[in-house]
This record gives sequence, structure tokens and C-alpha cells, in this order.
Amino acid sequence: EAGVTQSPTHLIKTRGQQATLRCSPISGHTSVYWYQQALGLGLQFLLWYDEGEERNRGNFPPRFSGRQFPNYSSELNVNALELEDSALYLCASSPTGVEYGYTFGSGTRLTVV
Amino acid sequence: QKEVEQDPGPLSVPEGAIVSLNCTYSNSAFQYFMWYRQYSRKGPELLMYTYSSGNKEDGRFTAQVDKSSKYISLFIRDSQPSDSATYLCAMRNTGGFKTIFGAGTRLFVKA
Repeated sequence: EAGVTQSPTHLIKTRGQQATLRCSPISGHTSVYWYQQALGLGLQFLLWYDEGEERNRGNFPPRFSGRQFPNYSSELNVNALELEDSALYLCASSPTGVEYGYTFGSGTRLTVV
Repeated sequence: QKEVEQDPGPLSVPEGAIVSLNCTYSNSAFQYFMWYRQYSRKGPELLMYTYSSGNKEDGRFTAQVDKSSKYISLFIRDSQPSDSATYLCAMRNTGGFKTIFGAGTRLFVKA
């Protein structure tokens, strides 16, 4: 069974540009979560999508947005990139209604220069 | 005050030692408690989860939850160099929309 796949693995962007990160969940999982892991700060919750709808978002500005497609894959868009957006962006998936135990992808390392 | 506090370490132990990793939390509504292991350049992987209070054992790993003290622990017996990783505690309340993670403790097990 394929795990959660994320692309690209690495992304280098210039301040002010836009970045698009992609995630394919495990087959049968309908919920997708996005987390930001900045150095020393742990995982910060960004967004939760389930059945194609945004269910909730964390304390991030509106320039962080995304969507979930009918096949349950998801993309995260970050507009007007700032230097402090440099981090590992992790996508996780789970079946709907599971209260624990996400499966994470290996992440996209975004570097803003 | 953060909802979940975890000492970032690093923690360095010799092979074969018993390792104790801990987290404290402030939200008494948390009911699900999880430990994830994250190797360098990889995403976190779920090690163990516990619902409410009590202990849970899985091989060399034991998870403990003390809700009265708002304190959770992960014990690793007979630690191996392959256990060297960052360990993140995580928790959520029933019906909660997100899981809250600790900052992670970096563990080094020396051969």
C-alpha cells in the first residue's frame, strides 16, 4: 500500500513569490491535514480538509490556503512568501472520523531566499 | 503558556539504557495521547496511542498517561542506536479538529 506522498521534496523560492505544495493521501483516506514544522517550533497545525471541504484552519494568515480535489489529493498554496515561511511542510491523512493516528508524508522542504 | 510542553533535549544515552521521555499539557479536555517518532528527513510515524489514563505496552515501548497531573511519558527499554530520532508527543480531545504536538525531544543512543 502506497503511503502519503508529497511533492516536490524540496522547493526554493524568492521572497514575494508563490509556492504550491502537493499531497496524495493513502487510498481510502478522506481527511488531509497540513502542518508546518519550523526549526525548534514543533508541528503547527495549518489546515484540515475532509470530503473536499476545508473543515478548519490554524492561526496562520490568509496567504496560506489550499484545496482538496475529488480524488482527495490536496494542495497547499502560500502566497507572498516571507523568509519565515521557510520550513518543512508535512501532509498527513486519515480516514474520516478517526480520532488518532495520522499517517504523515515525508514533507516538502520550502526555503525562501 | 503552550498547550503542550516538551523538553527539546538533546538526550544522549548509552545503548541498552532505559529512556524516559515526557510531556506536560494544560488542556484537561485532551483524551487521546500519542507518541510519534521522526527520523531525519522523514515525516513523523505513529508509535503508540492511549485513550484517557493508564499504561500501554508494545514491545520495548511503554506509554503512560496521568491525567490528574496532566503528564504523559514514553519509556524505551533496552534502547538501540536505531532508536535515535526525534520523539513527539501529541494529543487531542474527543471530536477535536486538530492534534496538538509537542516540540519534540531529540534522542541519541550511542553504541
